[in-house]
Amino acid sequence: NAGVTQTPKFRVLKTGQSMTLLCAQDMNHEYMYWYRQDPGMGLRLIHYSVGEGTTAKGEVPDGYNVSRLKKQNFLLGLESAAPSQTSVYFCASSYDRPYEKLFFGSGTQLSVL
Amino acid sequence: AQSVTQPDIHITVSEGASLELRCNYSYGATPYLFWYVQSPGQGLQLLLKYFSGDTLVQGIKGFEAEFKRSQSSFNLRKPSVHWSDAAEYFCAVVLISGGYNKLIFGAGTRLAVHP
Repeated sequence: NAGVTQTPKFRVLKTGQSMTLLCAQDMNHEYMYWYRQDPGMGLRLIHYSVGEGTTAKGEVPDGYNVSRLKKQNFLLGLESAAPSQTSVYFCASSYDRPYEKLFFGSGTQLSVL
Repeated sequence: AQSVTQPDIHITVSEGASLELRCNYSYGATPYLFWYVQSPGQGLQLLLKYFSGDTLVQGIKGFEAEFKRSQSSFNLRKPSVHWSDAAEYFCAVVLISGGYNKLIFGAGTRLAVHP
């Protein structure tokens, strides 16, 4: 099984550019999440979704937008990238609740110059 | 506010030695607690979790953790460390906010293993 797949794996942007990160899961999970990981700060929740067509803000939502048009996909958008958004981004999913097991993708390394 | 603290940023142990990684939480109710491990260049993998019941929980790869309510702690242990255990370890707690449950992570502890 593929599990949770993130694309792309690496990306370099210039300040002000936009991009979309794609997360796809093939486990029929209801919950999906986007986290960012920064040194010394662990993982911080950006946005999450509890089902198709739903999204909600996490701890650090500013500068990001998300969409969950299909159950298996969760998109993270940066409309105008800033250097502060340089980070490693992880997508995760769980069957129905976050205190069940989360399955993580392998991450996207994003650099904003 | 609910939070998770991992006091040790880096820990180095010798292969075969015992290991204890510390985790403290701040939470009003009985927490749901987790330990995840992240190998270099990979996503996170669940090691073990505590919801209720027996305060000593067993996980994968020979790890265990003990919930101590009096100390607000959930420390991870392994009796004999292998070189393949070198990774970053994250403690996490479920936060209930606005009707939804969200998983909040500590800052992580990076484990190095000397041969």
